[in-house]
Amino acid sequence: NAGVTQTPKFQVLKTGQSMTLQCAQDMNHEYMSWYRQDPGMGLRLIHYSVGAGITDQGEVPNGYNVSRSTTEDFPLRLLSAAPSQTSVYFCASSYSGTSGSYEQYFGPGTRLTVT
Amino acid sequence: DAKTTQPPSMDCAEGRAANLPCNHSTISGNEYVYWYRQIHSQGPQYIIHGLKNNETNEMASLIITEDRKSSTLILPHATLRDTAVYYCIVRVAYAGNMLTFGGGTRLMVKP
Repeated sequence: NAGVTQTPKFQVLKTGQSMTLQCAQDMNHEYMSWYRQDPGMGLRLIHYSVGAGITDQGEVPNGYNVSRSTTEDFPLRLLSAAPSQTSVYFCASSYSGTSGSYEQYFGPGTRLTVT
Repeated sequence: DAKTTQPPSMDCAEGRAANLPCNHSTISGNEYVYWYRQIHSQGPQYIIHGLKNNETNEMASLIITEDRKSSTLILPHATLRDTAVYYCIVRVAYAGNMLTFGGGTRLMVKP
């Protein structure tokens, strides 16, 4: 299994541009989420999904859209990039497994700079 | 989710045990204690979790006090590769419950 994959690894945008960060998982996990991490800070939840067709907002959803048309993919769309969205973005997935840990599996991150 | 308090940083000598404390005095009965770590800006990695009993796996041990108001993550023989930020998170355990990260403890393992 590749686990959770994210593309691109790095991206530079100009203010006002839009783009989509891709996230995919091959573990058939029901739950997926997007976090952002600003320098020196912990991760903050942007949006999450409890299954295909179902999404909800997290702590910092403004300026971002998500959709979940398949179990595998959970793209994050920046509508009109702003310098405040300069951050590292992590995608994660989890499932109702038998171990009871409900651990989340994280991708390697996308480092976004908005100028 | 209950709030947690961790020291911002700690040092540990290579080969020695690293004991990372976490206070969670407002934890409720159905909340578990989870530990994740983040190595050098990689995605966070699950370490261990527990409800009230002490737990051990191949990575670490988790000691939870009897009143459940605090816990300690123990890395028994720290290596340089254990240098990371360690996050203690308290939450109700179900797969759809996303994580709330605090500041964590930056552990520096020194040779």
